[in-house]
Amino acid sequence: KAGVTQTPRYLIKTRGQQVTLSCSPISGHRSVSWYQQTPGQGLQFLFEYFSETQRNKGNFPGRFSGRQFSNSRSEMNVSTLELGDSALYLCASSWRDGYTEAFFGQGTRLTVV
Amino acid sequence: GQQLNQSPQSMFIQEGEDVSMNCTSSSIFNTWLWYKQDPGEGPVLLIALYKAGELTSNGRLTAQFGITRKDSFLNISASIPSDVGIYFCAGPRDDKIIFGKGTRLHILP
Repeated sequence: KAGVTQTPRYLIKTRGQQVTLSCSPISGHRSVSWYQQTPGQGLQFLFEYFSETQRNKGNFPGRFSGRQFSNSRSEMNVSTLELGDSALYLCASSWRDGYTEAFFGQGTRLTVV
Repeated sequence: GQQLNQSPQSMFIQEGEDVSMNCTSSSIFNTWLWYKQDPGEGPVLLIALYKAGELTSNGRLTAQFGITRKDSFLNISASIPSDVGIYFCAGPRDDKIIFGKGTRLHILP
């Protein structure tokens, strides 16, 4: 059974650009969550999607958005990139509503220059 | 907001030693999760605990769900070099999983 797949693994963007990251969950999983990980802040929750609906959102500005498709694949978008957006972006999938376990992808390392 | 407090923040141990780390919260959790993250990779789920008092093992790893439901412990026996990494405790809260800041494990040669 394939794990959670995130693409791309590495990305370098310049300030002001926008970026789209992709996440394919484990087959059969319907919940996808996104996290931002930085050395100073640890793992910070961005948002969670279940059956194409955003159920929960963390304390991030509106420049961070996401969506989920009918096949449960998810994308997150960051517009007007800032230097502080440089981080490891992690996607996690889970199979049930009100999930208790999440399985992570390898992450996308975004560097904003 | 809800926080998970992990201690210690970092540990330096000799290969072969046993390791203990813990996670506490001011509120009750119904599930405790322990993850390990290697550099540049995503966290990997090690152990999931669902019942107060539960003790669960995964190889050399043993985790316990505290009886108060406000804490959990992770022990690693006979540490080896590949145990190096960051260990996170986590728990589900309001349709999301929240994480502690992690315990960074270093193994001295």
